[in-house]
Amino acid sequence: RKEVEQDPGPFNVPEGATVAFNCTYSNSASQSFFWYRQDCRKEPKLLMSVYSSGNEDGRFTAQLNRASQYISLLIRDSKLSDSATYLCVVNPGPSGGSYIPTFGRGTSLIVHP
Amino acid sequence: ETGVTQTPRHLVMGMTNKKSLKCEQHLGHNAMYWYKQSAKKPLELMFVYSLEERVENNSVPSRFSPECPNSSHLFLHLHTLQPEDSALYLCASSQDSSGGDNEQFFGPGTRLTVL
Repeated sequence: RKEVEQDPGPFNVPEGATVAFNCTYSNSASQSFFWYRQDCRKEPKLLMSVYSSGNEDGRFTAQLNRASQYISLLIRDSKLSDSATYLCVVNPGPSGGSYIPTFGRGTSLIVHP
Repeated sequence: ETGVTQTPRHLVMGMTNKKSLKCEQHLGHNAMYWYKQSAKKPLELMFVYSLEERVENNSVPSRFSPECPNSSHLFLHLHTLQPEDSALYLCASSQDSSGGDNEQFFGPGTRLTVL
């Protein structure tokens, strides 16, 4: 089983739709979780951290389910500008004193008019 | 100058050339990373430096040689590359690599083409 798995998509949704992505991780000792956004031919940028209690930032809601070992990202009222690849990132816990994040393959979202 | 910068932004090189990629971070971070991103593939971690010491070398071929002279600068020296090494090379930094809440900041990347 891969350490971090995401459905690559693409998810093709109309403007205004609500869309959700999941990301599963294999290491139950994982300590921190993030969603990054990567636009075409650009670098990844942090979208939001994922907290145990769940967190919301405007139209974006992130959830963590430790029992089932997945995180989710919900986007409400999709905009054309939300079209991008969404990368799930998991910090698996210390290895030799270092926390080395593991990236998922990314989920492609296309929002159309 | 803000964030993480990388030069050059684009590089075309032959298999016998030697070139270097440069990364500089202006965030006061202690950890720096090199990643490779090929088309349709996830980010592949190559190297991690923490306080100028290499803490991770992810089975990268020796034709890639990193150098971290100080906590603000990271280089990737390239020699005798193969066409399959063509990819986007991303540099990132984080406050340190010894904490779990490890947000990374990425540079714009160097798009490398090996002929």
